[in-house]
Amino acid sequence: GQQLNQSPQSMFIQEGEDVSMNCTSSSIFNTWLWYKQDPGEGPVLLIALYKAGELTSNGRLTAQFGITRKDSFLNISASIPSDVGIYFCAGRFKTSYDKVIFGPGTSLSVIP
Amino acid sequence: NAGVTQTPKFQVLKTGQSMTLQCAQDMNHEYMSWYRQDPGMGLRLIHYSVGAGITDQGEVPNGYNVSRSTTEDFPLRLLSAAPSQTSVYFCASSYLGLRFYGYTFGSGTRLTVV
Repeated sequence: GQQLNQSPQSMFIQEGEDVSMNCTSSSIFNTWLWYKQDPGEGPVLLIALYKAGELTSNGRLTAQFGITRKDSFLNISASIPSDVGIYFCAGRFKTSYDKVIFGPGTSLSVIP
Repeated sequence: NAGVTQTPKFQVLKTGQSMTLQCAQDMNHEYMSWYRQDPGMGLRLIHYSVGAGITDQGEVPNGYNVSRSTTEDFPLRLLSAAPSQTSVYFCASSYLGLRFYGYTFGSGTRLTVV
């Protein structure tokens, strides 16, 4: 079936560093989403992207919808301890409300 | 301002037992779904519903049953629990429309089958 690949699988960074992670697919999506999951909680939507090339920010987070529509990137600037968690990308196919595919996640640890 | 509410938060079952995981949303979302989350595998869709009286299977439906009698509620039933169903279960909901604004997730039910 369809799959999303996320990299890196996990990251350990110093507080204040910038973070980059990405998501790739063999399929074309018309919507990309990035979620964050805190321990013991459900995922929370960070950013939604709707157009190839789109660059969207949410505070210190910036995400981009890849030109090929098969990839997306998330950057976090000046990381802080509360950025710790698992970051999931998700892609949605056009006109298929049931076809949202989630990546396996990137686990982020921030060292104070 | 409840959003999506899941109960219980934790559950331990013996193999062969049945139970129902509850999910309720107060946002008048048409779409509701159940996912399971296992380490390294992301979120996998079990069942979903696009409105009261309408349900369909997702990627991993075997061993689970759903119904949707109201817009607000979407319970997930485990018919005969197996150790392979040990997982964290999330309920998610959204509006249906031309633009997808993403799912709202509940806080999850951690299920252990022994």
